[in-house]
Amino acid sequence: GALVYQYPRRTICKSGTSMRMECQAVGFQATSVAWYRQSPQKTFELIALSTVNSAIKYEQNFTQEKFPISHPNLSFSSMTVLNAYLEDRGLYLCGARRQGNQAPLFGEGTRLSVL
Amino acid sequence: GDSVTQTEGQVALSEEDFLTIHCNYSASGYPTLFWYVQYPGEGPQLLFRASRDKEKGSSRGFEATYDKGTTSFHLRKASVQESDSAVYYCALRGSHTGNYKYVFGAGTRLKVIA
Repeated sequence: GALVYQYPRRTICKSGTSMRMECQAVGFQATSVAWYRQSPQKTFELIALSTVNSAIKYEQNFTQEKFPISHPNLSFSSMTVLNAYLEDRGLYLCGARRQGNQAPLFGEGTRLSVL
Repeated sequence: GDSVTQTEGQVALSEEDFLTIHCNYSASGYPTLFWYVQYPGEGPQLLFRASRDKEKGSSRGFEATYDKGTTSFHLRKASVQESDSAVYYCALRGSHTGNYKYVFGAGTRLKVIA
């Protein structure tokens, strides 16, 4: 079956350091990958959308300089949180879509804690 | 911009109670509407979707009907079980060509007591 695997599941980093997280589509090819953040007591905020053969689109309040994303092929994407601070903590979700209008398949997320 | 509003932040019910979670949306045209469920420690899972007026989506006993007139997509279940305890998110995807952005509501935490 198709699933999305995110690694690591949990991570802790010191304030001001950076942390990289990965998203792997298994059993299908992801034509687009969306990265979301679910902060404590909040809903999902879209960080950026990466579509094959298109530039990565960042949402307002999120920048490439802070959240650089790599999407080298149809099954893998990674995102780095640079200079992480308390406000960056939360659950980072990867949603991968197949072609057409299929709903994104989400991974279990990477939970980031910042000390 | 597009938005989704879930009225209830938390709902507490007893087993076999009837569930309604309200979802209203704001978007132009005919967005596709979704219900996702998130269990503790997991990512959100798609329950079902609907993309046309009056279309009913359903899964695992849950159902919702797309109502363009009232811009609503309320989630209902006739008889909840303790295992239904989770956070439920209503979401939409805009109808514009090439629009892959999904907008989520704030979520409704459902607790079912045995």
